[in-house]
Amino acid sequence: EDQVTQSPEALRLQEGESSSLNCSYTVSGLRGLFWYRQDPGKGPEFLFTLYSAGEEKEKERLKATLTKKESFLHITAPKPEDSATYLCAAYPGGSYIPTFGRGTSLIVHP
Amino acid sequence: NAGVTQTPKFQVLKTGQSMTLQCAQDMNHNSMYWYRQDPGMGLRLIYYSASEGTTDKGEVPNGYNVSRLNKREFSLRLESAAPSQTSVYFCASSEWRDSYEQYFGPGTRLTVT
Repeated sequence: EDQVTQSPEALRLQEGESSSLNCSYTVSGLRGLFWYRQDPGKGPEFLFTLYSAGEEKEKERLKATLTKKESFLHITAPKPEDSATYLCAAYPGGSYIPTFGRGTSLIVHP
Repeated sequence: NAGVTQTPKFQVLKTGQSMTLQCAQDMNHNSMYWYRQDPGMGLRLIYYSASEGTTDKGEVPNGYNVSRLNKREFSLRLESAAPSQTSVYFCASSEWRDSYEQYFGPGTRLTVT
């Protein structure tokens, strides 16, 4: 069974305190690993796609990396506006349907 | 481009009432999806449409029906609402021939009393 597990469930950081969010996946023939950001009361917003182990993508203070078993979302010197829930999703090979993790709720205090 | 739009934004129903949630996308995507999101449960797929003219059940289809009206529109119908269907509903679209990331609408917050 395809599975995506995110940790921690919740993370509180001080502004400027760098950290990482984890996404462990078990899917058959990974086609792609996706990261989304979700603000309260809004729909998820696409951030990154990673296709193969060793790949990295960056956007402002965020960097996503991928291994054969997990993906990390590194947040460098976060600001309060980075506070949100971060979701990851994995597409099994040959499927139209991604498997989503339950998300990590990030709060960055000023 | 408006992206993915959903109506209504909020709805309160009484048990047994019916309603249809509307979704439209203007990105010319082939695939469309309906999810529900509940606290602690994450996003759960209700139904999806891989392309115009096809629909398939997802993880939690019971109590729902869908219609892919055309390439742009995908509606979700609750025939007889139950309190267990109180949730936030998201519509999404993607282009599986390309990079297939999903684009989500703003959601419909539904309460069934």
